[in-house]
Amino acid sequence: SQQGEEDPQALSIQEGENATMNCSYKTSINNLQWYRQNSGRGLVHLILIRSNEREKHSGRLRVTLDTSKKSSSLLITASRAADTASYFCATDATGGSQGNLIFGKGTKLSVKP
Amino acid sequence: DAGITQSPRHKVTETGTPVTLRCHQTENHRYMYWYRQDPGHGLRLIHYSYGVKDTDKGEVSDGYSVSRSKTEDFLLTLESATSSQTSVYFCAIKDSGNTIYFGEGSWLTVV
Repeated sequence: SQQGEEDPQALSIQEGENATMNCSYKTSINNLQWYRQNSGRGLVHLILIRSNEREKHSGRLRVTLDTSKKSSSLLITASRAADTASYFCATDATGGSQGNLIFGKGTKLSVKP
Repeated sequence: DAGITQSPRHKVTETGTPVTLRCHQTENHRYMYWYRQDPGHGLRLIHYSYGVKDTDKGEVSDGYSVSRSKTEDFLLTLESATSSQTSVYFCAIKDSGNTIYFGEGSWLTVV
């Protein structure tokens, strides 16, 4: 079963531009986590935002959460070629199995130098 | 880096053979997970563990078994590998803040 749906599926921008990725989900959540995955590599944890939080920042990353709309967004400011990767949102659903994160299929970001 | 090591990182095996993937953690976390990642499906939970000898099934557990005899090790076994189990397998742990960290992955090809 798929909880998160990222939008867009693919995004191509120039270095220096901002990149915004969106995630929608279906059920109540405890938290939502964003990950980055470079081709052929593992998942790198970016940010966890809890259901009672609306916004979090980490360096050039800004995550928002709107539980009324069941949606989240990840903003990467001043993008770099090294940000090229797939980005996934994952939800920890209320009442779900302990830590059973449900992943979307990801947004493939390409940052051109 | 949450101190997670997966082995082997790459394996090619024949249909019908048993395969065991190992996940080792160094930070004494209670919860450990095995996910698989496939094109078009994203990551899906196979099994998870909430303590030594305490495990439960995930979304795609058929054909897989797990064992956790020590806090630091979580083993995933394919009793009789099939081509549909060709995938990338990720181990993960949950820390005290509920953040889930993943290992680097094990690429398994069943021929």
